[in-house]
Amino acid sequence: EPEVTQTPSHQVTQMGQEVILRCVPISNHLYFYWYRQILGQKVEFLVSFYNNEISEKSEIFDDQFSVERPDGSNFTLKIRSTKLEDSAMYFCASVGSESGGSTDTQYFGPGTRLTVL
Amino acid sequence: DQQVKQNSPSLSVQEGRISILNCDYTNSMFDYFLWYKKYPAEGPTFLISISSIKDKNEDGRFTVFLNKSAKHLSLHIVPSQPGDSAVYFCAASAITGGGNKLTFGTGTQLKVEL
Repeated sequence: EPEVTQTPSHQVTQMGQEVILRCVPISNHLYFYWYRQILGQKVEFLVSFYNNEISEKSEIFDDQFSVERPDGSNFTLKIRSTKLEDSAMYFCASVGSESGGSTDTQYFGPGTRLTVL
Repeated sequence: DQQVKQNSPSLSVQEGRISILNCDYTNSMFDYFLWYKKYPAEGPTFLISISSIKDKNEDGRFTVFLNKSAKHLSLHIVPSQPGDSAVYFCAASAITGGGNKLTFGTGTQLKVEL
């Protein structure tokens, strides 16, 4: 069964350093998302991406964050200068429908645990 | 921002009995609701969903009920099994320009005991 994969599973970094989290969405999926979950809190939407551009982003997704689909398979989230409060689980998700409508199920990857020291 | 709320942080049920997990929402623009199951150190796994045009959707042991007037939905698991022990998240989405984001609740930890 196709699945979303993410690497690395755990990333430890120093405050102020840049990190890139990688995702391989399900093949042929068209909409891609990043979410995060700070320990003990709910899963929060960061950004959605379609047709090589951001379609929506949350208030969390400030200038320190960027996303890219550098080739036909990878989808990356970059944090330019990490802060302590960026420590969280980061989940990638994808949707297969052309319309990306609200009734399309998002499938999630296993997550990357980011620890900022 | 508490658009989706799960007021019970935990629930304990005996094996074989029914588990009922509840979720309330405030945004009347939400038109699609999903339940995800999550184990520690894993991503959310899709379980079942329901469109706002329906009031019930069933898939095996899992049934989701939607009461639009009360802005309330519930997930019923029957019979409950020990393998169902996990955190269950309610999520909702609304029609926007596309690439619709999910808004999650805080989750309910279900423990199914032998």
